[in-house]
Amino acid sequence: GENVEQHPSTLSVQEGDSAVIKCTYSDSASNYFPWYKQELGKGPQLIIDIRSNVGEKKDQRIAVTLNKTAKHFSLHITETQPEDSAVYFCAGRASGAGSYQLTFGKGTKLSVIP
Amino acid sequence: NAGVTQTPKFQVLKTGQSMTLQCAQDMNHEYMSWYRQDPGMGLRLIHYSVGAGITDQGEVPNGYNVSRSTTEDFPLRLLSAAPSQTSVYFCASSVTGTDNFGNTIYFGEGSWLTVV
Repeated sequence: GENVEQHPSTLSVQEGDSAVIKCTYSDSASNYFPWYKQELGKGPQLIIDIRSNVGEKKDQRIAVTLNKTAKHFSLHITETQPEDSAVYFCAGRASGAGSYQLTFGKGTKLSVIP
Repeated sequence: NAGVTQTPKFQVLKTGQSMTLQCAQDMNHEYMSWYRQDPGMGLRLIHYSVGAGITDQGEVPNGYNVSRSTTEDFPLRLLSAAPSQTSVYFCASSVTGTDNFGNTIYFGEGSWLTVV
């Protein structure tokens, strides 16, 4: 089955700096990689996702890159703000119309220091 | 649009008691699932369903039962609660379809369960 490793487990950045979180996956058949943000006491919310047919996707201050050869993908947050402080999870899902399960990384706690 | 709704939000159980965590979605999603979240462990899949009358086990199914009698509801039952089941439980749903890349999974707000 799929195994997703996420690093770092904690990350502190100054407000305005960039933050990068990296994930690796084991199943070369995986082709969908979402990122979720979880605020304290809330459920995970999808913030961006990438499919294996593209190498990069951007949405305002956040971007995700995918390297299929190396089997890793990364979340980039630029111009960080205090409201970006949360736990971020990466995930991977194998291909196929009958495949729905996500395998999650263990999370990164991001703290943005004002 | 309520999305995925979980009840209760908080629950304390004694060891050996049984209870049901409720999950309902109003998006007509065929796929529904339950995850548990423990410190340092991420989210682990307990059970899932791809439609009414169909359920299957995930990574950590022991001690839990599910059923799917309607598209909207997917309750999770703890048969005889144990302290190891102290966790935060999340219900999630998505559409199913023919897109080989899959579809976005939406999560509920969580149910905090403590077993003493």
